[in-house]
Amino acid sequence: AQSVTQLDSQVPVFEEAPVELRCNYSSSVSVYLFWYVQYPNQGLQLLLKYLSGSTLVKGINGFEAEFNKSQTSFHLRKPSVHISDTAEYFCAVSGYGAAGNKLTFGGGTRVLVKP
Amino acid sequence: GAVVSQHPSWVICKSGTSVKIECRSLDFQATTMFWYRQFPKQSLMLMATSNEGSKATYEQGVEKDKFLINHASLTLSTLTVTSAHPEDSSFYICSATGTPYYEQYFGPGTRLTVT
Repeated sequence: AQSVTQLDSQVPVFEEAPVELRCNYSSSVSVYLFWYVQYPNQGLQLLLKYLSGSTLVKGINGFEAEFNKSQTSFHLRKPSVHISDTAEYFCAVSGYGAAGNKLTFGGGTRVLVKP
Repeated sequence: GAVVSQHPSWVICKSGTSVKIECRSLDFQATTMFWYRQFPKQSLMLMATSNEGSKATYEQGVEKDKFLINHASLTLSTLTVTSAHPEDSSFYICSATGTPYYEQYFGPGTRLTVT
């Protein structure tokens, strides 16, 4: 079984400032890791994923994340945010070959970008 | 590629009636589809996993007789909320996987309001 903890429920940030969203997970097996973004009343859009290989993963819209196995973390970063980055962000994990490749989601982090 | 649609995008129904939500993979064959429920300002909760031609696997606590899932083809899964009550009001999101199996593609969601 896996679990995901997103350490910040809300992150206010000024436009053009950097942002980091923290995600920690626990699992008894190796995992795939994902970050999704959700805009109001919409489904989820994949920002990036870690499957294997390089621990620094680059995604869409200027986001990147770093997988740290020893700390079981997968924090998301963006060096300079825009107003349009205001949204809910979800970290998720699935186990290798997990039954039905089910995703376990964190509680979400709401990012509010202020002008 | 990898587009998932949902229909309807929103629906209002009266208490006691049933409502069907469709989830379609538009440009790939979905071996597995997932149904999630999301309450306001909360994370996604997996309701069930369905594979084409098989009975759905429901998560603990989800009423099978209330939330009927049919995955009749590799591009279509349906969720029927039977005898809906106001507490069933929620945002329902589906996702689908094809190849590769580990990545889920999400639909835009369906907002159900039961009056």
